[in-house]
Amino acid sequence: GENVEQHPSTLSVQEGDSAVIKCTYSDSASNYFPWYKQELGKRPQLIIDIRSNVGEKKDQRIAVTLNKTAKHFSLHITETQPEDSAVYFCAATYYGNNRLAFGKGNQVVVIP
Amino acid sequence: DTAVSQTPKYLVTQMGNDKSIKCEQNLGHDTMYWYKQDSKKFLKIMFSYNNKELIINETVPNRFSPKSPDKAHLNLHINSLELGDSAVYFCASSPTTDTEAFFGQGTRLTVV
Repeated sequence: GENVEQHPSTLSVQEGDSAVIKCTYSDSASNYFPWYKQELGKRPQLIIDIRSNVGEKKDQRIAVTLNKTAKHFSLHITETQPEDSAVYFCAATYYGNNRLAFGKGNQVVVIP
Repeated sequence: DTAVSQTPKYLVTQMGNDKSIKCEQNLGHDTMYWYKQDSKKFLKIMFSYNNKELIINETVPNRFSPKSPDKAHLNLHINSLELGDSAVYFCASSPTTDTEAFFGQGTRLTVV
């Protein structure tokens, strides 16, 4: 079964505000945590990932933070724009796992 | 050049029929996956292959049979199609489980 849980399932934010999505994982062996974005009718695409040897990673308006002790990691989107409206999927895995299983996804709706 | 390509993009068929979806990647990746995305947008892993060997079968009904003739191809054959098989099927590939996965454009299967 899935080893990651995502909360909340749907998030509505005003344009310009920040959005935060959190994932929790259970397998202590996990050391790679990617986030994928899927726009309506499109394929999922990687937007950012983090490995367990760092606590935070940023790429322009998006960032990911990792708390290994609590086994959760979060996606932060600042200054949200309409094009950020999409479903976001997280995953937790490691080399040799051979299993890239995703959480159930979060629908983010940016209200203009 | 398309990195991961699936054919067909749309597939409409009657219950009880047998159909196949083809997937090819030109990235030289060792790992390939099949996912099923239902109407709730949940991206559920079905199979994982590594170097054309089946590694993971996520308790998928045996009506679904993947075939990997070589490292670059992973096809999905479905026997005796049921209404509940209607979904979007995504193929993906990555060098290893803990690196970026690239998705095909998806195949929308509708069983009537």
